[in-house]
Amino acid sequence: DVKVTQSSRYLVKRTGEKVFLECVQDMDHENMFWYRQDPGLGLRLIYFSYDVKMKEKGDIPEGYSVSREKKERFSLILESASTNQTSMYLCASRGMPSYEQYFGPGTRLTVT
Amino acid sequence: GQSLEQPSEVTAVEGAIVQINCTYQTSGFYGLSWYQQHDGGAPTFLSYNALDGLEETGRFSSFLSRSDSYGYLLLQELQMKDSASYFCADDHNQAGTALIFGKGTTLSVSS
Repeated sequence: DVKVTQSSRYLVKRTGEKVFLECVQDMDHENMFWYRQDPGLGLRLIYFSYDVKMKEKGDIPEGYSVSREKKERFSLILESASTNQTSMYLCASRGMPSYEQYFGPGTRLTVT
Repeated sequence: GQSLEQPSEVTAVEGAIVQINCTYQTSGFYGLSWYQQHDGGAPTFLSYNALDGLEETGRFSSFLSRSDSYGYLLLQELQMKDSASYFCADDHNQAGTALIFGKGTTLSVSS
């Protein structure tokens, strides 16, 4: 079974802090993704990566950066957290040529 | 821009059949996926349609019409455990890797 794990289920940070969200997958998938999920807005793509050290912006990359130094790990970085980044963050991975994305359990981030 | 439209809420009773529609306006459309998400859980993959027509997987079926930019998820013999949010998603990236999700349909199944 594919397993996607995220470093924290719940996180509380203060405005202006640098925040790291970590995601690890154990199925050697090429593609990894970061989404945020907000009520009424569905899942919105922040960044994705199709290979080590490669990244592509999604629909809402502003205020975020990512890092993929190893194939199994994809990190989302909030350089200076703001209250409008309070959200559920979901990581996913996908191995080509499969169509299926496997999601982690999510990190609920609260920025106060 | 890229967008997928689906109803926000659907209600039904156990044993019934429900259809969740999804219309899309996207460039570089590759195929339509469906995901299920229970409250507090992660989205899980249900189905994918690359070609026009109906794909059946047990009680769930998914349909795609490229000419109409339209698809639907059909859930039969509804059970209480089917109460969840359902998202349609479009494979839109040139590399065929990234998904754009609709805002989701909350299905409530009552006894």
